[in-house]
Amino acid sequence: QKEVEQDPGPLSVPEGAIVSLNCTYSNSAFQYFMWYRQYSRKGPELLMYTYSSGNKEDGRFTAQVDKSSKYISLFIRDSQPSDSATYLCAMSASFGQGAQKLVFGQGTRLTINP
Amino acid sequence: DGGITQSPKYLFRKEGQNVTLSCEQNLNHDAMYWYRQDPGQGLRLIYYSQIVNDFQKGDIAEGYSVSREKKESFPLTVTSAQKNPTAFYLCASSKTVTSYNEQFFGPGTRLTVL
Repeated sequence: QKEVEQDPGPLSVPEGAIVSLNCTYSNSAFQYFMWYRQYSRKGPELLMYTYSSGNKEDGRFTAQVDKSSKYISLFIRDSQPSDSATYLCAMSASFGQGAQKLVFGQGTRLTINP
Repeated sequence: DGGITQSPKYLFRKEGQNVTLSCEQNLNHDAMYWYRQDPGQGLRLIYYSQIVNDFQKGDIAEGYSVSREKKESFPLTVTSAQKNPTAFYLCASSKTVTSYNEQFFGPGTRLTVL
């Protein structure tokens, strides 16, 4: 079983729809939870990060973390064609001498249709 | 402009050859990382470096080598011992590797074995 599970999709929705992306994880030591967006043939860029449980909102994006269920979500409101990309969840945990390591989900490929 | 550059963008290798991927950053970051991305598997950590002249193995270091002679540079060599090197390689950097710090990614190098 992978430490972080993410449905790879692909997910296709019409413009203006609310998109829900999710990841589950097994390691209770994870402390920071991140969502990265990756356009085709580009490097990932950080969208949002959350520490521990709770919600965080940034414009059309909302990140939720439920540590009791080991489940994180990213919601995109009023989705736009420019949101079409692969979305990667990532989580961090220490791996010796206080160092932090990122563990990534497989990524979900999202297409927003005009 | 501060950022991370990777070269070349595309690289072709014959069986049995070693190749070196370049990564340079001008963000004055101490920590640098190399990841490999395969379809459906997310990003996996190859090597990381916390400081000049020091580096540590990640989850999939076999068949790879790195050096960190300068703060700005963290080249990755894919050796002939790497059995399946065809992949998208991403370099990243962060202020430090201890505690949470955003990792910034380069644009990637796509390596294909002929």
